[in-house]
Amino acid sequence: SQTIHQWPATLVQPVGSPLSLECTVEGTSNPNLYWYRQAAGRGLQLLFYSVGIGQISSEVPQNLSASRPQDRQFILSSKKLLLSDSGFYLCAWGRLYRQRDVNTEAFFGQGTRLTVV
Amino acid sequence: AQSVTQPDIHITVSEGASLELRCNYSYGATPYLFWYVQSPGQGLQLLLKYFSGDTLVQGIKGFEAEFKRSQSSFNLRKPSVHWSDAAEYFCAVGALWGNKLVFGAGTILRVKS
Repeated sequence: SQTIHQWPATLVQPVGSPLSLECTVEGTSNPNLYWYRQAAGRGLQLLFYSVGIGQISSEVPQNLSASRPQDRQFILSSKKLLLSDSGFYLCAWGRLYRQRDVNTEAFFGQGTRLTVV
Repeated sequence: AQSVTQPDIHITVSEGASLELRCNYSYGATPYLFWYVQSPGQGLQLLLKYFSGDTLVQGIKGFEAEFKRSQSSFNLRKPSVHWSDAAEYFCAVGALWGNKLVFGAGTILRVKS
């Protein structure tokens, strides 16, 4: 069965420090991978998604970047954190959207609570 | 581009009462539609999804949702709410070819005894 791992679960970082959040998926190949940020009362904002190794699409210009060095690894990074980067970050993987594919859905990790101080 | 609107930020219902959470989407073709639930500090769990066929979809935990193309809606319902249903609920739309999954802002459900 497929599983998704996301770590760390919580993180407190000072302003201006770097960030690296990692997400890995097991039990599937060539998944779509997603990073979302959830701020209080603002729902889930899609930050990045990837359909393959080295292929990253950015949805929102910001202080963050993403990389996919391996098929089932997705990394969210920042060189210098801002206070506004605080939030709950969720990684997800999804099956490729094919023509009316009954298995289409997205699976989420448990999230990382990032507090920038 | 696809988008999702959940007009109710908070909803409070009594335990045992019926529930309906609203979701409206915008997408140029027939979309994939999802409802997810999130308990505090946790990831998201899929309740149900629609991709084609029967417009009334049954999900886990006694939830169902109805796809209405004419109204661009995908409302979530449950006939009798339990205290354990208190959580945040998200509607999402997925593009067939765009590989993106876009979420609404969420609805926080409170259940009073």
